[in-house]
Amino acid sequence: AQSVTQPDIHITVSEGASLELRCNYSYGATPYLFWYVQSPGQGLQLLLKYFSGDTLVQGIKGFEAEFKRSQSSFNLRKPSVHWSDAAEYFCAVGDQYGNKLVFGAGTILRVKS
Amino acid sequence: NAGVTQTPKFQVLKTGQSMTLQCAQDMNHNSMYWYRQDPGMGLRLIYYSASEGTTDKGEVPNGYNVSRLNKREFSLRLESAAPSQTSVYFCASSEAISSGWNSPLHFGNGTRLTVT
Repeated sequence: AQSVTQPDIHITVSEGASLELRCNYSYGATPYLFWYVQSPGQGLQLLLKYFSGDTLVQGIKGFEAEFKRSQSSFNLRKPSVHWSDAAEYFCAVGDQYGNKLVFGAGTILRVKS
Repeated sequence: NAGVTQTPKFQVLKTGQSMTLQCAQDMNHNSMYWYRQDPGMGLRLIYYSASEGTTDKGEVPNGYNVSRLNKREFSLRLESAAPSQTSVYFCASSEAISSGWNSPLHFGNGTRLTVT
C-alpha cells in the first residue's frame, strides 16, 4: 500500500519569497504523484501531476514540482509567492491501477506581507 | 458548469441518528469517490465506485454505506452516527478508473458533519 508524508504542518513565507513544500512517498511500483491545493471552505483543486517522463513538471498558478526517485520525493516549488497562495497543500500518490489515491496530511501555507 | 455538488453543506446529528449525504456530478464521469478529511490526517478514502452499479471499500469504510444511484449520483449513508464520524466529507469524480490516473479527481466543496 502506498503512503505519503508531508513533514511540515505549517509554513510561513513572505510575499515575493520562494517556496518549497516537501513530500515523500512510499510505493513499491511506479508512483502517480499529484499536488492539490485547498482554499478555506473549498474542495481540492489539482495543481500538477507526474506520471512519467521529464521529472520537472509545471502546473497551474506558477507552481512546479520535481520528482526524485532516489529520494522518493516530489517537492512543490514556486519562485515568488503571492498572498493569494495562502491555502493548504496536499501531496497524493495514486496506485498503478488507477483505483486508490492516498493523500498526505497537508501543509498549511501562510503568506505574510 | 456546476461540477460536483454536495448537499447539505453543514449537518449536526446526535449519536445514533442516521443521515444520507448526497453527491451529484454533471461531467459524465464514470468514477466517484467519498473521502473524509480530519485535521492532521489528510483525506482518507471511504468508498469508491468505478462505474454505475459497482462500489468498493476504501481505507475507512466502517460505519458507512454507499449507493451509486445512477451515473450522476453517489450517496453516502451513516446508519448510526458516532462522534468519531465528525468530519468534513468530500465527494469527488473522475473520468474513468480504467484510464488510470490520466483523469484527475474533481472535488465538491464538502459537507461539514458534527455528531454530538
